[in-house]
Amino acid sequence: NAGVTQTPKFQVLKTGQSMTLQCAQDMNHNSMYWYRQDPGMGLRLIYYSASEGTTDKGEVPNGYNVSRLNKREFSLRLESAAPSQTSVYFCASSGGGSGAYNEQFFGPGTRLTVL
Amino acid sequence: GDSVTQMEGPVTLSEEAFLTINCTYTATGYPSLFWYVQYPGEGLQLLLKATKADDKGSNKGFEATYRKETTSFHLEKGSVQVSDSAVYFCALFNTGGFKTIFGAGTRLFVKA
Repeated sequence: NAGVTQTPKFQVLKTGQSMTLQCAQDMNHNSMYWYRQDPGMGLRLIYYSASEGTTDKGEVPNGYNVSRLNKREFSLRLESAAPSQTSVYFCASSGGGSGAYNEQFFGPGTRLTVL
Repeated sequence: GDSVTQMEGPVTLSEEAFLTINCTYTATGYPSLFWYVQYPGEGLQLLLKATKADDKGSNKGFEATYRKETTSFHLEKGSVQVSDSAVYFCALFNTGGFKTIFGAGTRLFVKA
């Protein structure tokens, strides 16, 4: 049981390049999330998927797109990377259901630098 | 909207000192409350939780009590260790929604 896995662990991009961050969970969770973490800013929600087939914007969606490929996988795409997107990106999942207390399980993170 | 406010860090303590990290929240209804911990280079992991008023969550010597009258969920530990050095996040999840609201995080340094 691997929990939440993310690839790659590290990435360096040049401004304007594109890339996709991959996330997968093996806990049969309904909900998945993408966050970014910047020094002094805590966690900020980029996008989330409450259930398979749905995605919604979080607080900082600009410059990103997501795909909920199936129940296990939720990818984050940067179409044209900018230095402001230099950050640590975390994927998380939870059992889902608006009535549950919804503990979140986090992946190890992807450290992205945009030059 | 819902929000979480926690004390700013960093907090620096000597080993075996008493720890308190304050957390207050604003929310409608009856949210569930959490403390998550992030060790260097890792993702967040759940430390403890409380799902209703007056519940006490506890784990690894840490405790927090859900106080609805003061809208607080302060984290405490009686005797910290160097291995407790990490960033601690207070969070809430409100029924009827799909998002967890995180505080800004408090960095704890424990000196030997």
